[in-house]
Amino acid sequence: DAGVIQSPRHEVTEMGQEVTLRCKPISGHNSLFWYRQTMMRGLELLIYFNNNVPIDDSGMPEDRFSAKMPNASFSTLKIQPSEPRDSAVYFCASSEGASAYEQYFGPGTRLTVT
Amino acid sequence: LAKTTQPISMDSYEGQEVNITCSHNNIATNDYITWYQQFPSQGPRFIIQGYKTKVTNEVASLFIPADRKSSTLSLPRVSLSDTAVYYCPLTELNQGGKLIFGQGTELSVKP
Repeated sequence: DAGVIQSPRHEVTEMGQEVTLRCKPISGHNSLFWYRQTMMRGLELLIYFNNNVPIDDSGMPEDRFSAKMPNASFSTLKIQPSEPRDSAVYFCASSEGASAYEQYFGPGTRLTVT
Repeated sequence: LAKTTQPISMDSYEGQEVNITCSHNNIATNDYITWYQQFPSQGPRFIIQGYKTKVTNEVASLFIPADRKSSTLSLPRVSLSDTAVYYCPLTELNQGGKLIFGQGTELSVKP
């Protein structure tokens, strides 16, 4: 298995631009999670899905952030418009389902907003 | 889900046993304790999970006292490659496996 796949691995953009991060979970996994990691705030859960349905988006910082999961094999995290404070590493993780305790993390997308 | 508290950093030498303690005073009945390892420029990787008493797998042991207000990850005979940040997020299984990470413990293993 290829594991969780994220793209792009690195993204540099200017303030005000739209950014879209992509994630392909492990095949057969029913839960998907988006995290953000910064030195100041550590690892933060942004949103998670069970069976493609958003369950908890309380960690999404602002309306500028949105996430979708149109099918079981793909999810996006969009930031529009982006700001310098959004610079972070964004991780996607998946697990076998609501009763699973082990999450498998992707390699992350390092986002830099100038 | 309660956040957890850990020492910010620890030092060790190759071949030693390392014990990292995590405090979770407000742990709920339905919470399970998990431990993850993170290397620089990588996502966290699951190590072990437990509810109470002792759990052991091929890489680590997890000790949980009866009151469950803390837990200890034990790494036997560490090597340089065990240098990483270790996290102990709690998870409530009927909440979809949601994890809340604390600040983690940065373990440095020296030759």
